[in-house]
Amino acid sequence: EIVLTQSPATLSLSPGERATLSCRASQSVRNYLAWYQQRPGQAPRLLIYDAYNRAPGIPARFSGSGSGADFTLTINSLEPEDFAVYYCQQRATWPPLTFGGGTKVEIK
Amino acid sequence: QVQLVESGGDVVQPGGSLRLSCSVSGFTFSSFSMHWVRQAPGRGLEWVAFISSDGTYKYFADSVKGRLSISRDNSNDTLYLHMDTLRPQDTAVYFCARDRKYYFDSWGLGTLVTVSS
Repeated sequence: EIVLTQSPATLSLSPGERATLSCRASQSVRNYLAWYQQRPGQAPRLLIYDAYNRAPGIPARFSGSGSGADFTLTINSLEPEDFAVYYCQQRATWPPLTFGGGTKVEIK
Repeated sequence: QVQLVESGGDVVQPGGSLRLSCSVSGFTFSSFSMHWVRQAPGRGLEWVAFISSDGTYKYFADSVKGRLSISRDNSNDTLYLHMDTLRPQDTAVYFCARDRKYYFDSWGLGTLVTVSS
């Protein structure tokens, strides 16, 4: 099973700042990694797939990068609605499909 | 637009059974593989089960193998999760999700299953 480790656990930032979230895999997942956003009380939403492709309707301030075992989600100029929990997920080797533990982006 | 609506969550005793449903609309259900993903209270996401578009292929997380099963009714646009021998650690919100290359591109709002005596 591929383990995904996200850091930091919590990121405290102000609106307008840039958020940089990390996801590290226990072995290479090539570029088969996605990012999801989950706001409180809501279902997750797909943001990025295959490491850097934005899902339909996702604003350009969200970008993904990385390959192999190290990945980054960058949110440029945080909007109020971006304060949420973010999860990474791999599909390179499954079952099982696995998620990281999440990073909470909170208002400073 | 794409909609997924889960139902069937309830409070059940340990060892009990439950069947969850996911009714979909806004897309051709029979063309898509589907998943169940769960989230324990205050915890992260855990993939539970997968079913291919025609129901031929099914995969499960080790934590539920042998106790949970997945099925679908393509004529009624409905996905199911059959849950047996439930344990307290199965307590979670259960989401159905549409598959996109083994990612999850659309989700329902979830249904809560509580396993407690």
